[in-house]
Amino acid sequence: QVQLQESGPGLVKPSQTLSLTCTVSDDSLSSDDSYWSWIRQPAGKGLEWIGRVYNSGSTNYNPSLKSRVAMSVDTSKNQFSLRLRSVTAADTAVYYCARETVGGGDPWYYYYMDVWGKGTTVIVSS
Amino acid sequence: QSVLTQPPSASGTPGQRVTISCSGSSSNIGSNIVNWYQQFPGTAPKLLIYNNNQRPSGVPARFSGSKSGTSASLAISGLQSDDEADYYCATWDDSLSGRVFGGGTRLTVL
Repeated sequence: QVQLQESGPGLVKPSQTLSLTCTVSDDSLSSDDSYWSWIRQPAGKGLEWIGRVYNSGSTNYNPSLKSRVAMSVDTSKNQFSLRLRSVTAADTAVYYCARETVGGGDPWYYYYMDVWGKGTTVIVSS
Repeated sequence: QSVLTQPPSASGTPGQRVTISCSGSSSNIGSNIVNWYQQFPGTAPKLLIYNNNQRPSGVPARFSGSKSGTSASLAISGLQSDDEADYYCATWDDSLSGRVFGGGTRLTVL
């Protein structure tokens, strides 16, 4: 059964960089059938998609965060990572990693997030 | 302000049928599939419906999804107290080149 686990500092100072890692178990980041995504949720609010990364390193980012975000994969460790620069209190949230699995077939492909990590809380505060 | 519009709340009594709407535009729902997620307090979201109306293994048939034009709906029949949760629609937006979520609907079973 595929499992995802987020890890990283729970407290980040304003203006610094938030760095999180998601470790994937029982699946391979090298698979061509999946994207690997990050989503966040401020307390009491809805879900916000941050972006996704493919095994090649190709990325898609939320336009509102694009200037501050970087995602990468490390297939040797079966991990993918999120870096968010210049954080403020508005970046305080629960951060989830998720697998986006492909469905359908050529030429009509679609994706859905079928496996999620449990989430990790990141607080931005001095 | 979410790209996809959902009612903030919905409610029903046990056994009833409830529907939750998700309204978008031609650049998102109008040209891409819709997925639905269920989230209980303090837990990660769970995939409920994918590809507009497909249920993952283990999701009861009481849950169904549909899409028409630039809107989608999630229906829950035979409402149970365990269905009390937040529900989110999601799709891809071609204009934004990114995934978008609805603001979420909190379902209360009276």
